[in-house]
Amino acid sequence: TQLLEQSPQFLSIQEGENLTVYCNSSSVFSSLQWYRQEPGEGPVLLVTVVTGGEVKKLKRLTFQFGDARKDSSLHITAAQPGDTGLYLCAGDTGNQFYFGTGTSLTVIP
Amino acid sequence: EAQVTQNPRYLITVTGKKLTVTCSQNMNHEYMSWYRQDPGLGLRQIYYSMNVEVTDKGDVPEGYKVSRKEKRNFPLILESPSPNQTSLYFCASSLFPTGNYGYTFGSGTRLTVV
Repeated sequence: TQLLEQSPQFLSIQEGENLTVYCNSSSVFSSLQWYRQEPGEGPVLLVTVVTGGEVKKLKRLTFQFGDARKDSSLHITAAQPGDTGLYLCAGDTGNQFYFGTGTSLTVIP
Repeated sequence: EAQVTQNPRYLITVTGKKLTVTCSQNMNHEYMSWYRQDPGLGLRQIYYSMNVEVTDKGDVPEGYKVSRKEKRNFPLILESPSPNQTSLYFCASSLFPTGNYGYTFGSGTRLTVV
């Protein structure tokens, strides 16, 4: 049983399209993080959200933490081939991080 | 450059032959952790360490051992590897395990046990 469910699992889109990835749980987290992992490498931290309802922007990426701190979303505007990778959310329960299963994104030129 | 270094990157071994995967960080981080990554299961925590000489089990500790004798090093030991331990392993470190501090991951060790 996964504490964090991500959807969709796989996503293949054309360059220039917009997309949203979801990270859902029935548990409350004190913070939530998003990572991107490229093939053959370890995950790299993109952002941490801490406050319920918080929205953070990183260029074309927008991250939102749900009001109840149980879910989060990642929205990418005008996707580019360089956005291709595995996107992972990770929730902090206080002494441990739990990772979601990931969303594999492919952006086709 | 701030980094987590794992070795080796690739390892093929036979069932029952003891092996060690090394992990070292140069950021003076308190917290270190080992994960395995398997298709459809995501990243699952094996062991973690809050500080020197302090280690604890994660979600999938069976068949693994760790030690934290120095702050910078956190080796993962497989005393008697089995084929179900074939996986991609990541070491990660953080200043603290919670809050705004994210993990810095190593580049991974792909282990195959035949």
